[in-house]
Formats: sequence, C-alpha cells, structure tokens
Amino acid sequence: GAVVSQHPSRVICKSGTSVKIECRSLDFQATTMFWYRQFPKQSLMLMATSNEGSKATYEQGVEKDKFLINHASLTLSTLTVTSAHPEDSSFYICSARDGTTNEKLFFGSGTQLSVL
Amino acid sequence: EDKVVQSPLSLVVHEGDTVTLNCSYEVTNFRSLLWYKQEKKAPTFLFMLTSSGIEKKSGRLSSILDKKELFSILNITATQTGDSAVYLCAVEDRRTYKYIFGTGTRLKVLA
Repeated sequence: GAVVSQHPSRVICKSGTSVKIECRSLDFQATTMFWYRQFPKQSLMLMATSNEGSKATYEQGVEKDKFLINHASLTLSTLTVTSAHPEDSSFYICSARDGTTNEKLFFGSGTQLSVL
Repeated sequence: EDKVVQSPLSLVVHEGDTVTLNCSYEVTNFRSLLWYKQEKKAPTFLFMLTSSGIEKKSGRLSSILDKKELFSILNITATQTGDSAVYLCAVEDRRTYKYIFGTGTRLKVLA
C-alpha cells in the first residue's frame, strides 16, 4: 500500500531556531499534500494545503511566514517552522493524496516538536 | 460552516463487546467520508464511503453511510484490547479536496 514517510519523528529545539519537517510519498506521486497540527487529545487541525509547483494555501489563522511550506516535487513537501516558540510545540502530521487514483489520504508518522 | 461531529467522545468497553461509533456531518460539497484509526502516531485508513446504504466490511469492522441523514456509523464487533485507539471520521470536500476531521472517539477496550 501507499507509504508516506515523515522525518524527523521527534525534534527538540531552542526557542528562536527554525525546524524543517519533511514529508515524502514513497511509492506514488502526491500532487497534493496536507499539513495538520494535533494537540493532545484533540483532532487534526488543517494548517495548509500544499500543491506541487505552486504556493501553499493556508487555513485561516495560520501564519504563512511562520510556517513555510514548499512542495518542490511530486514526492516531497517540507514544512519549516521559523523562529520557533514554546507555543509552537505540537504534533505535526502530513498527509498525501495519490495523484493517480485521487482517493484516500495517506498519513506520515508525524513529528513531535518540542520548543524549549 | 462545514463541520463533522463524532460521538461519543470517549468509550470504555470490555473485550467481546460490540461498539457503534457515530459520525454526523454538515458539509456542503460532500465527496466522500473516511474512517481512520489512530493509535499513537499516524492515522491508518479503515474505510472510504461514497454511496448511501452500502456496507463496507473488514473483519470485525464495518461501516455504512446515510447521505440523506448525513451520518455514518462504524461498528466493531467482538472488540479486542488491540482495538483501543482514537477513531477519526473525515469528510472530503469535492471542491477543495480538503478533509474536515471530527474530534474523534477515544475507545478503550478492557481485558
């Protein structure tokens, strides 16, 4: 089945630093990738939609300068949390849609970000 | 505003019990409804439903969609401790292809 790889799985950083999270579709081309944020015991909150070769579409309330998304190829999207602060600590998870079947959503394993 | 509501929020049962999880939605441009199981990290896909009244089954799990009443149910029979997880329901918007997630139902199965 389709596999989405997300790295790193866990990162601890100091306040003010930037953190890059990668999301790769391993055996299919992902024309669209989604980035979610999940707080403990809460559901997935969509942050942005990433389309290959174009600018990401951000949800209301999500700062595009804070959360930089790049989708340079059909198999890779990256999320960079710039100048991270403790309130950015969260579980970030990416998902990808198979561009050929355009069905189902496959999830990466998530990244637990802790900002000290 | 589009929304997806799941109930109950949490549930504790004993092994062998049957559970029914509910998902109701108000999504203007409905395309599909999906169920996922989230244990620790990545949600894993269970079912995708697009048509009313057609039950989908996978082992002890089954699901059905009612597009008239705008809800879906996920049934788990003969529950096992390994079924303990958060079950997420998501509805896909056919215009934007975005997925709107419900808050999830946290299921705990006791031995």
